[in-house]
Amino acid sequence: EVHLVESGGGLVQPGRSLRLSCAASGFIFHDYTMYWVRQAPGQGLEWVSHISWNSGAIGYADSVKGRFTISRDNAKNSLYLEMNSLRGEDTALYYCAKDVNTGSYHGIDYWGQGTLVTVSS
Amino acid sequence: DIQMTQSPSSVSASVGDRVTITCRASQGINTWLAWYQQKPGKAPKLLIYVASSLQSGVPSRFSGSGSGTDFTLTISSLQPEDIATYYCQQAQSFPWTFGQGTKVAIK
Repeated sequence: EVHLVESGGGLVQPGRSLRLSCAASGFIFHDYTMYWVRQAPGQGLEWVSHISWNSGAIGYADSVKGRFTISRDNAKNSLYLEMNSLRGEDTALYYCAKDVNTGSYHGIDYWGQGTLVTVSS
Repeated sequence: DIQMTQSPSSVSASVGDRVTITCRASQGINTWLAWYQQKPGKAPKLLIYVASSLQSGVPSRFSGSGSGTDFTLTISSLQPEDIATYYCQQAQSFPWTFGQGTKVAIK
């Protein structure tokens, strides 16, 4: 069974940093594109970033480009999101997610439970 | 960026009714479209990908259709457990974008 477990969220002051982690199990992690998607309280879904199976293709939403860095460690079945210069508008539930097909960008079939990031002084 | 527009924003129907949600892309996306269901306090769940492929384990009352710019999610017979917010998402190009959501309620 696929499991994606996020950690690292919390309350942080504007301008500070936070690192999110996602532990994956139940599938061949190194075969899949992985994503971070966020959802602000009471709002819709926003794609944040993606990373291909071999880290060769990476992308970011304009809203986080230059401040967030996605990475993965296939040996540890783990996905990360380094978030710097955090702003109030980054407050959201951050989901770790996997693509539905190997080596593709077709959609998301599994999501973690999310980790809440609150940016406030 | 490709904009995704869903309609209606909310719908109320009776158990057993047919419910249709539409999603329009601001430019052609072939069939690179997914549909998700999200219940309160839960992560989204994939229903449909590449416009019409039913995800494993999803009831057959859910179906998707369309290509290019216009897409439809249909619930053939609404059940109480289908109460949720539904999102479309384009996978044609990054940045991936989602529709604003359609809230489905029971009348």
